[in-house]
Amino acid sequence: NAGVTQTPKFRVLKTGQSMTLLCAQDMNHEYMYWYRQDPGMGLRLIHYSVGEGTTAKGEVPDGYNVSRLKKQNFLLGLESAAPSQTSVYFCASDPGLAGAEQFFGPGTRLTVL
Amino acid sequence: DQQVKQNSPSLSVQEGRISILNCDYTNSMFDYFLWYKKYPAEGPTFLISISSIKDKNEDGRFTVFLNKSAKHLSLHIVPSQPGDSAVYFCAASDNYGGSQGNLIFGKGTKLSVKP
Repeated sequence: NAGVTQTPKFRVLKTGQSMTLLCAQDMNHEYMYWYRQDPGMGLRLIHYSVGEGTTAKGEVPDGYNVSRLKKQNFLLGLESAAPSQTSVYFCASDPGLAGAEQFFGPGTRLTVL
Repeated sequence: DQQVKQNSPSLSVQEGRISILNCDYTNSMFDYFLWYKKYPAEGPTFLISISSIKDKNEDGRFTVFLNKSAKHLSLHIVPSQPGDSAVYFCAASDNYGGSQGNLIFGKGTKLSVKP
């Protein structure tokens, strides 16, 4: 049981480049999330999904797109990276039950130059 | 404006003593509170939670207390161990009936437990 995995672990982009972060979970969870964490800040929700084929905006969605084509995968895309998107990105999932905790991946450290 | 506040960025405690981490919230609609622990270069891991119908929840060395009138919760770790050294995040939700991404996180408190 790998839990929640994220690919890649590290990435450096130039301003304007695009990339996709992949999150995969093997716990058959319905709900998946993408957060970003900046220095001295808590985790802020970017987008989330409550099931395959569904997505919704979180607190800080601008500049990001997501897709959930398969239940186990949740992709986060940056179409035109900006230095303000330099951050650590965490994916999480949960079964969507009352009071369920979220399980987090190890994070992706992204630097945009 | 921050809905979940952890006003102490750091806390240092001697091994074997009690660690008390505090969290304040402003949204009276929050009905579920969680604590997550995070080690460097790892994702947060769930530690303990409490619903708004309770005022205390205990799990081994960890106890969370909720004071709804003061909109305040605290995490007690006793006895503290060096392995407890990590960043602790307080999080709150207004949707206990169904998790839908409504977790609001505080900025975290870095706990250092010294041998």
